[in-house]
Amino acid sequence: DGGITQSPKYLFRKEGQNVTLSCEQNLNHDAMYWYRQDPGQGLRLIYYSQIVNDFQKGDIAEGYSVSREKKESFPLTVTSAQKNPTAFYLCATNGLAGTGELFFGEGSRLTVL
Amino acid sequence: DAKTTQPPSMDCAEGRAANLPCNHSTISGNEYVYWYRQIHSQGPQYIIHGLKNNETNEMASLIITEDRKSSTLILPHATLRDTAVYYCIVSARGTGTASKLTFGTGTRLQVTL
Repeated sequence: DGGITQSPKYLFRKEGQNVTLSCEQNLNHDAMYWYRQDPGQGLRLIYYSQIVNDFQKGDIAEGYSVSREKKESFPLTVTSAQKNPTAFYLCATNGLAGTGELFFGEGSRLTVL
Repeated sequence: DAKTTQPPSMDCAEGRAANLPCNHSTISGNEYVYWYRQIHSQGPQYIIHGLKNNETNEMASLIITEDRKSSTLILPHATLRDTAVYYCIVSARGTGTASKLTFGTGTRLQVTL
């Protein structure tokens, strides 16, 4: 099936540990995005990438890092520098030649104990 | 991107039409209106978008006022499965560039029996 796969769906980590969230897509989309969502809030853009080996900071990039070594993959690392890492993380993609709509994965819920 | 204003919550009886308003009084001529919805603990789902003409698809209709300063998303026959948070987003759609959509807090639609 075509789509976006995020893993893991739920993740628990101790404070001070780095965590990497996976996002894989087989839609052949050029652009990939990471959003963060806190309870009762909207989505905030962390990082995005329009092409392999290139990515840009979003509105809340501090404490996060990404890589885009393959078109299909855009992993997000939540580092120990992120002060409030507990949140719902969403990966999205779209084709740059398309109509602009984003396709989202099912999300990863990170809880830092 | 232009900002949008949506009511925080609305109720609708099952089987009736749900009309969700959105104000975007500062919209620019090249900005589109996008609607997404997010069912609890899932990734947002694209619904519809438009520039200035009314649009309809299998999920909903989008009515944009002539001055483009407001729009209404219409779910013609709401069901319990339509209970979700609905986001109205305004953004320019540049071909070849990333869609850095800004998701606010949206409207929480509750469909009741």
